[in-house]
Amino acid sequence: ETGVTQTPRHLVMGMTNKKSLKCEQHLGHNAMYWYKQSAKKPLELMFVYSLEERVENNSVPSRFSPECPNSSHLFLHLHTLQPEDSALYLCASSQDWRGGSYNEQFFGPGTRLTVL
Amino acid sequence: TQLLEQSPQFLSIQEGENLTVYCNSSSVFSSLQWYRQEPGEGPVLLVTVVTGGEVKKLKRLTFQFGDARKDSSLHITAAQPGDTGLYLCAGRNEKLTFGTGTRLTIIP
Repeated sequence: ETGVTQTPRHLVMGMTNKKSLKCEQHLGHNAMYWYKQSAKKPLELMFVYSLEERVENNSVPSRFSPECPNSSHLFLHLHTLQPEDSALYLCASSQDWRGGSYNEQFFGPGTRLTVL
Repeated sequence: TQLLEQSPQFLSIQEGENLTVYCNSSSVFSSLQWYRQEPGEGPVLLVTVVTGGEVKKLKRLTFQFGDARKDSSLHITAAQPGDTGLYLCAGRNEKLTFGTGTRLTIIP
Protein backbone atom coordinates (compact mmCIF):
# COMPACT_ATOMS: atom_id res chain seq x y z
CA GLU A 1 0.00 0.00 0.00
CA THR A 2 1.18 3.51 -0.75
CA GLY A 3 0.00 6.97 0.21
CA VAL A 4 -3.03 7.34 2.44
CA THR A 5 -5.64 4.60 2.68
CA GLN A 6 -9.07 4.69 4.26
CA THR A 7 -11.51 1.95 5.20
CA PRO A 8 -14.31 1.37 4.69
CA ARG A 9 -14.94 3.26 1.46
CA HIS A 10 -18.70 3.25 2.05
CA LEU A 11 -20.65 2.99 5.30
CA VAL A 12 -24.36 3.05 6.02
CA MET A 13 -25.37 3.22 9.66
CA GLY A 14 -28.40 3.88 11.79
CA MET A 15 -28.51 6.67 14.35
CA THR A 16 -28.04 4.23 17.23
CA ASN A 17 -25.08 2.36 15.75
CA LYS A 18 -21.43 2.64 16.73
CA LYS A 19 -18.87 2.40 13.95
CA SER A 20 -15.28 3.44 13.29
CA LEU A 21 -13.45 4.87 10.30
CA LYS A 22 -9.82 3.93 9.80
CA CYS A 23 -7.01 5.83 8.10
CA GLU A 24 -3.45 4.69 7.52
CA GLN A 25 -0.60 6.67 5.99
CA HIS A 26 2.52 5.06 4.52
CA LEU A 27 4.43 8.31 3.97
CA GLY A 28 6.28 8.69 7.26
CA HIS A 29 4.42 11.91 8.03
CA ASN A 30 4.05 13.44 11.48
CA ALA A 31 0.63 15.06 11.13
CA MET A 32 -2.77 13.55 10.35
CA TYR A 33 -6.14 15.20 9.77
CA TRP A 34 -9.84 14.40 9.60
CA TYR A 35 -11.99 16.51 7.25
CA LYS A 36 -15.72 16.48 6.53
CA GLN A 37 -16.82 17.18 2.96
CA SER A 38 -20.51 17.76 2.34
CA ALA A 39 -22.27 19.02 -0.75
CA LYS A 40 -23.17 22.45 0.55
CA LYS A 41 -20.11 23.43 2.56
CA PRO A 42 -16.38 23.85 1.97
CA LEU A 43 -14.04 21.17 3.20
CA GLU A 44 -14.27 21.36 7.01
CA LEU A 45 -11.30 20.53 9.19
CA MET A 46 -12.40 18.41 12.15
CA PHE A 47 -9.30 17.25 13.99
CA VAL A 48 -5.51 17.51 13.69
CA TYR A 49 -2.98 15.19 15.28
CA SER A 50 0.73 15.93 15.43
CA LEU A 51 2.99 13.14 16.62
CA GLU A 52 -0.04 11.35 18.06
CA GLU A 53 -1.12 14.39 20.09
CA ARG A 54 -4.39 16.14 19.24
CA VAL A 55 -3.52 19.73 18.45
CA GLU A 56 -6.80 20.96 17.03
CA ASN A 57 -10.47 20.20 17.57
CA ASN A 58 -12.68 22.50 15.54
CA SER A 59 -15.82 22.50 17.71
CA VAL A 60 -16.75 19.03 16.56
CA PRO A 61 -19.69 17.37 18.38
CA SER A 62 -18.73 14.70 20.90
CA ARG A 63 -20.50 12.02 18.85
CA PHE A 64 -17.28 12.09 16.78
CA SER A 65 -14.31 10.74 18.73
CA PRO A 66 -10.85 10.60 17.16
CA GLU A 67 -8.03 8.29 18.16
CA CYS A 68 -4.41 8.30 17.03
CA PRO A 69 -2.57 5.28 18.46
CA ASN A 70 0.60 5.98 16.46
CA SER A 71 1.81 8.35 13.77
CA SER A 72 0.65 6.05 10.95
CA HIS A 73 -2.90 5.33 12.07
CA LEU A 74 -5.91 7.53 12.73
CA PHE A 75 -9.42 6.48 13.68
CA LEU A 76 -12.73 8.30 13.87
CA HIS A 77 -15.19 6.61 16.21
CA LEU A 78 -18.83 7.36 15.49
CA HIS A 79 -21.82 6.98 17.80
CA THR A 80 -25.40 8.26 17.84
CA LEU A 81 -24.92 10.19 14.63
CA GLN A 82 -27.57 12.33 12.97
CA PRO A 83 -28.69 12.24 9.31
CA GLU A 84 -26.99 15.61 8.76
CA ASP A 85 -23.67 13.90 9.54
CA SER A 86 -23.93 12.09 6.21
CA ALA A 87 -20.92 13.22 4.17
CA LEU A 88 -17.57 12.19 2.73
CA TYR A 89 -14.99 11.92 5.50
CA LEU A 90 -11.47 12.50 4.29
CA CYS A 91 -8.25 11.69 6.07
CA ALA A 92 -5.04 13.50 5.18
CA SER A 93 -1.43 13.56 6.31
CA SER A 94 1.45 15.98 5.96
CA GLN A 95 5.09 16.06 6.93
CA ASP A 96 4.44 18.45 9.80
CA TRP A 97 1.37 20.10 11.28
CA ARG A 98 2.25 23.75 10.74
CA GLY A 99 5.09 23.39 8.28
CA GLY A 100 5.97 26.04 5.74
CA SER A 101 4.23 27.44 2.71
CA TYR A 102 4.93 24.31 0.66
CA ASN A 103 3.58 21.93 3.27
CA GLU A 104 1.44 19.57 1.20
CA GLN A 105 -1.43 17.53 2.51
CA PHE A 106 -1.92 14.08 1.02
CA PHE A 107 -5.50 12.86 1.10
CA GLY A 108 -7.03 9.42 1.23
CA PRO A 109 -9.98 8.49 -1.01
CA GLY A 110 -12.50 9.10 1.77
CA THR A 111 -15.31 7.18 3.42
CA ARG A 112 -18.79 7.95 2.09
CA LEU A 113 -20.98 7.86 5.21
CA THR A 114 -24.77 7.68 5.13
CA VAL A 115 -26.71 7.98 8.39
CA LEU A 116 -30.27 6.71 8.22
CA THR B 1 -12.72 33.43 10.16
CA GLN B 2 -10.85 33.29 6.86
CA LEU B 3 -13.19 32.56 3.98
CA LEU B 4 -12.23 31.67 0.43
CA GLU B 5 -14.97 32.09 -2.14
CA GLN B 6 -14.54 30.34 -5.48
CA SER B 7 -16.36 31.23 -8.66
CA PRO B 8 -18.04 29.94 -10.60
CA GLN B 9 -19.42 27.20 -8.38
CA PHE B 10 -20.21 25.04 -11.43
CA LEU B 11 -18.79 25.24 -14.96
CA SER B 12 -19.56 23.04 -17.92
CA ILE B 13 -17.79 23.71 -21.21
CA GLN B 14 -16.90 21.99 -24.46
CA GLU B 15 -13.57 20.27 -25.03
CA GLY B 16 -11.05 22.67 -26.52
CA GLU B 17 -12.39 25.82 -24.88
CA ASN B 18 -10.50 27.99 -22.41
CA LEU B 19 -11.69 28.80 -18.90
CA THR B 20 -10.75 30.68 -15.76
CA VAL B 21 -11.82 30.00 -12.20
CA TYR B 22 -11.32 32.40 -9.34
CA CYS B 23 -10.53 32.18 -5.65
CA ASN B 24 -11.16 35.32 -3.59
CA SER B 25 -10.78 36.32 0.02
CA SER B 26 -10.62 39.41 2.18
CA SER B 27 -7.74 37.79 4.11
CA VAL B 28 -4.06 37.79 3.22
CA PHE B 29 -2.40 34.39 2.96
CA SER B 30 1.26 33.48 3.16
CA SER B 31 0.70 30.98 0.37
CA LEU B 32 -2.07 29.49 -1.68
CA GLN B 33 -2.51 25.98 -3.01
CA TRP B 34 -4.75 24.53 -5.70
CA TYR B 35 -6.02 20.96 -5.45
CA ARG B 36 -8.06 18.86 -7.89
CA GLN B 37 -10.44 16.18 -6.65
CA GLU B 38 -11.78 13.52 -9.00
CA PRO B 39 -14.89 11.46 -8.24
CA GLY B 40 -14.24 8.80 -5.62
CA GLU B 41 -10.85 10.23 -4.69
CA GLY B 42 -9.38 12.74 -2.29
CA PRO B 43 -7.96 16.11 -3.39
CA VAL B 44 -4.52 16.08 -5.00
CA LEU B 45 -2.18 19.07 -4.88
CA LEU B 46 -1.57 20.78 -8.24
CA VAL B 47 0.52 23.80 -7.26
CA THR B 48 1.63 26.12 -4.46
CA VAL B 49 2.10 29.86 -5.03
CA VAL B 50 3.87 31.96 -2.46
CA THR B 51 4.84 35.39 -3.81
CA GLY B 52 2.33 38.12 -4.65
CA GLY B 53 1.92 38.27 -8.43
CA GLU B 54 3.54 34.85 -8.90
CA VAL B 55 2.54 32.89 -11.99
CA LYS B 56 3.09 29.15 -12.32
CA LYS B 57 2.35 26.96 -15.31
CA LEU B 58 1.59 23.26 -15.27
CA LYS B 59 1.17 22.15 -18.89
CA ARG B 60 -2.15 23.74 -19.95
CA LEU B 61 -2.90 25.11 -16.47
CA THR B 62 -1.76 28.59 -15.42
CA PHE B 63 -2.01 29.67 -11.80
CA GLN B 64 -1.65 33.23 -10.57
CA PHE B 65 -1.43 34.60 -7.05
CA GLY B 66 -2.81 38.11 -6.63
CA ASP B 67 -0.42 40.96 -5.89
CA ALA B 68 -1.95 41.43 -2.44
CA ARG B 69 -1.96 37.67 -1.76
CA LYS B 70 -5.73 37.70 -1.18
CA ASP B 71 -6.86 36.02 -4.38
CA SER B 72 -5.83 33.59 -7.09
CA SER B 73 -6.92 32.39 -10.48
CA LEU B 74 -6.59 29.18 -12.44
CA HIS B 75 -6.71 29.36 -16.23
CA ILE B 76 -7.03 26.23 -18.36
CA THR B 77 -6.23 26.36 -22.06
CA ALA B 78 -7.83 23.94 -24.51
CA ALA B 79 -9.71 22.02 -21.84
CA GLN B 80 -9.82 18.23 -22.09
CA PRO B 81 -12.22 15.70 -20.55
CA GLY B 82 -9.43 14.66 -18.18
CA ASP B 83 -9.61 18.12 -16.60
CA THR B 84 -13.06 17.29 -15.20
CA GLY B 85 -13.15 17.46 -11.43
CA LEU B 86 -13.61 19.62 -8.35
CA TYR B 87 -11.00 22.36 -8.09
CA LEU B 88 -10.24 23.60 -4.60
CA CYS B 89 -8.09 26.52 -3.60
CA ALA B 90 -6.60 26.55 -0.10
CA GLY B 91 -5.01 29.50 1.66
CA ARG B 92 -2.34 28.97 4.27
CA ASN B 93 -1.42 31.03 7.26
CA GLU B 94 -0.98 28.98 10.41
CA LYS B 95 -3.66 26.64 9.11
CA LEU B 96 -4.87 25.61 5.69
CA THR B 97 -8.33 26.97 4.81
CA PHE B 98 -10.12 25.44 1.84
CA GLY B 99 -12.30 27.35 -0.61
CA THR B 100 -15.86 26.57 -1.60
CA GLY B 101 -14.78 24.72 -4.76
CA THR B 102 -15.50 24.88 -8.51
CA ARG B 103 -16.97 21.78 -10.08
CA LEU B 104 -15.71 21.63 -13.68
CA THR B 105 -17.14 19.38 -16.38
CA ILE B 106 -15.52 19.17 -19.81
CA ILE B 107 -17.87 17.82 -22.47
CA PRO B 108 -16.20 15.76 -25.22
